[in-house]
Amino acid sequence: EAQVTQNPRYLITVTGKKLTVTCSQNMNHEYMSWYRQDPGLGLRQIYYSMNVEVTDKGDVPEGYKVSRKEKRNFPLILESPSPNQTSLYFCASSRSTGTYEQYFGPGTRLTVT
Amino acid sequence: SQQGEEDPQALSIQEGENATMNCSYKTSINNLQWYRQNSGRGLVHLILIRSNEREKHSGRLRVTLDTSKKSSSLLITASRAADTASYFCATDKGGSYIPTFGRGTSLIVHP
Repeated sequence: EAQVTQNPRYLITVTGKKLTVTCSQNMNHEYMSWYRQDPGLGLRQIYYSMNVEVTDKGDVPEGYKVSRKEKRNFPLILESPSPNQTSLYFCASSRSTGTYEQYFGPGTRLTVT
Repeated sequence: SQQGEEDPQALSIQEGENATMNCSYKTSINNLQWYRQNSGRGLVHLILIRSNEREKHSGRLRVTLDTSKKSSSLLITASRAADTASYFCATDKGGSYIPTFGRGTSLIVHP
């Protein structure tokens, strides 16, 4: 089954404790992206990757890191999480850039206390 | 920054009625996409319309695109309670092909 998986689905952590949210897709997609969703703000792009070893900042990259060492994986790293990073995070992938439909993961609900 | 903005923010209708939501954007685009999100879940792609197209249909969905007005509309005909969800438009920014999403329209369909 074609899918995007994210782990963990729920995470409660404390300020400053490094964490990684994993994202994996099994569709051999070139393009992957991370979004955060907050009430009243819609989806905002954090980082995206056009292919392996190619990443770029989206609209709200501060406080986040990503890497794309393999085509299927695109982890999101929060080196020192803060309460303002409490949000619902989505990973998405598509065959190529915006010309194609994006497939979204189920989301990761992160709470930073 | 958000390229596309949906309108209205919220829409409440009775089952069987049609639902229309709009998306306006600021700069030229290559294509525009509509997505649906059930509460707290991942977005699901509904339809993509390219900048040289004016109308597309998919089942009960009809999407129009007016590039001169920089706007698109999504019409859901004969709505059902299961259509209750948030609907987002995603546009790229001309040559970038990087999609950005609006804040969405929350649709509630009452049985």
